[in-house]
Amino acid sequence: KQEVTQIPAALSVPEGENLVLNCSFTDSAIYNLQWFRQDPGKGLTSLLLIQSSQREQTSGRLNASLDKSSGRSTLYIAASQPGDSATYLCAARTGANNLFFGTGTRLTVIP
Amino acid sequence: DVKVTQSSRYLVKRTGEKVFLECVQDMDHENMFWYRQDPGLGLRLIYFSYDVKMKEKGDIPEGYSVSREKKERFSLILESASTNQTSMYLCASLGVTGELFFGEGSRLTVL
Repeated sequence: KQEVTQIPAALSVPEGENLVLNCSFTDSAIYNLQWFRQDPGKGLTSLLLIQSSQREQTSGRLNASLDKSSGRSTLYIAASQPGDSATYLCAARTGANNLFFGTGTRLTVIP
Repeated sequence: DVKVTQSSRYLVKRTGEKVFLECVQDMDHENMFWYRQDPGLGLRLIYFSYDVKMKEKGDIPEGYSVSREKKERFSLILESASTNQTSMYLCASLGVTGELFFGEGSRLTVL
């Protein structure tokens, strides 16, 4: 069974810093990998989707990479802002209805 | 933009009550999902539906049922609410590219 791990569980950085969030998965046979953001008490907001044939996706200050062979994905956030403070989750899809979530990294950006 | 709408953001119910959680998506997606999210346990799949009137059990279906009478609407039903069903409930809809879209969540408290 696919296992998805996100380390660290929590991260605090000063405003303006560039940072990387990590996501590891045990089974490289994935269809895609998706990154989400979750604010306290809210649902998940989709940030980036990387298909299995792709190496990276970019949206604004966010860049996500995928290395299937090593079972890793990273989410790079450039020039962090206090508004980026949230929990970030990754999820690896192995089938139409098989999606495995990581437990998330709680990010705090300090003004 | 894809819109997944959960009708109730906050509900407080008593033990034994019947609870309906409604979810509507506006993008004609075939696959819809209900998750619950609990601290330390992450997201767990309750049920999913891949077409009208079609449903499949997820990882934790006990105590829940679902209804999908129309393509855009997927309802989660707690026949007799119990305190251990106090949780955040998240509805999601799957796009054709494999991207998952979530609603804002429904926070249910069972007293």
